[in-house]
Amino acid sequence: NAGVMQNPRHLVRRRGQEARLRCSPMKGHSHVYWYRQLPEEGLKFMVYLQKENIIDESGMPKERFSAEFPKEGPSILRIQQVVRGDSAAYFCASSRERQATNEKLFFGSGTQLSVL
Amino acid sequence: AQKITQTQPGMFVQEKEAVTLDCTYDTSDPSYGLFWYKQPSSGEMIFLIYQGSYDQQNATEGRYSLNFQKARKSANLVISASQLGDSAMYFCAMSDSGTYKYIFGTGTRLKVLA
Repeated sequence: NAGVMQNPRHLVRRRGQEARLRCSPMKGHSHVYWYRQLPEEGLKFMVYLQKENIIDESGMPKERFSAEFPKEGPSILRIQQVVRGDSAAYFCASSRERQATNEKLFFGSGTQLSVL
Repeated sequence: AQKITQTQPGMFVQEKEAVTLDCTYDTSDPSYGLFWYKQPSSGEMIFLIYQGSYDQQNATEGRYSLNFQKARKSANLVISASQLGDSAMYFCAMSDSGTYKYIFGTGTRLKVLA
């Protein structure tokens, strides 16, 4: 299956620890998007990356959150010094082209982050 | 500003019957796309159907059809012949040419009854 791969599927962290979420886009896709979903809510945009470039991080909290998409390897969403409010499902999506109005996003299965 | 509204937090439907899930949107951009995704209890997001703002006909994909009423800014999802496996959360989303982000609604939880 060459779909969008996210790992881990579930991640438990204590307050103050770091969380690293990984996303490998579909084969042939060079555009990656991260979304966050709180319980019983829709997905909220966080960041859009192309290889080695952050295109738009307007949805990402200014502190503790960072994202990268290196030339080689998966995209990483990093949350430093996690707090309970960071508990959520984090979804990665990819597309072949820069998202246009008709460009379908392919989503991974998400990482459920639980902060104790 | 772009906005997607789903006013039905939960819906029930009898197996084999049709159900309509509501979605209204707001954008000032004449070029936009509307998407529906299904999220089963396992959590993944599954693409169902797409409608472009310039498409003349309503989109259909198997048992899914999109009732697109441009003047009313609505894009309701119709599921025909409901199956137990259709029980899930359903999200409406929009993308317009001014942004490369999907805007999602808050979702509708559908329960299909045997």
